[in-house]
Amino acid sequence: KAGVTQTPRYLIKTRGQQVTLSCSPISGHRSVSWYQQTPGQGLQFLFEYFSETQRNKGNFPGRFSGRQFSNSRSEMNVSTLELGDSALYLCASSSDPSPGYGYTFGSGTRLTVV
Amino acid sequence: GDSVTQMEGPVTLSEEAFLTINCTYTATGYPSLFWYVQYPGEGLQLLLKATKADDKGSNKGFEATYRKETTSFHLEKGSVQVSDSAVYFCALSLTDKLIFGTGTRLQVFP
Repeated sequence: KAGVTQTPRYLIKTRGQQVTLSCSPISGHRSVSWYQQTPGQGLQFLFEYFSETQRNKGNFPGRFSGRQFSNSRSEMNVSTLELGDSALYLCASSSDPSPGYGYTFGSGTRLTVV
Repeated sequence: GDSVTQMEGPVTLSEEAFLTINCTYTATGYPSLFWYVQYPGEGLQLLLKATKADDKGSNKGFEATYRKETTSFHLEKGSVQVSDSAVYFCALSLTDKLIFGTGTRLQVFP
């Protein structure tokens, strides 16, 4: 069974540009979450989608947005990139978003903003 | 707010040594608790979990017991291997998001 697939694995962007990251969850998983990982702030929750609806959002500026499609694939978008947006962005999926189920993570997209 | 506190790393051990990584939490309710592991250049892998007090999660020789009275979920392994070298994250979940600790790097030498 294929795992969570994130594309691309690496990205280099310039300040002020925008970027779109893609995530394909495990087949049958309808809950998709996104996390940002940086050395300074650690792992921080961005947002969670279930059946195309954003149900929860972390404390990030409006430049960070996302969406989920009917096939459960998800994208996140960051507009007007800043140097501080350089991070590993992790996508995770779950068959059930209840607290006890846990999530399966992808390998991440490493975004570098120059 | 809800939070997770992990011991600072790195933890450096010789192969076959006993491992303990401390994790305590603060939560407004009764969270589910997790340990995730991250190998270099990879995402997070779920190592084990526990959903209620006194539950013991176990996997690949690692164990952790959900202690409500001490709000702890310490990770243990009786005999570590070089291949266990990685960063370990303790996390809690009360809703549909995970709250992570800062991670503890484990280095195991032959």
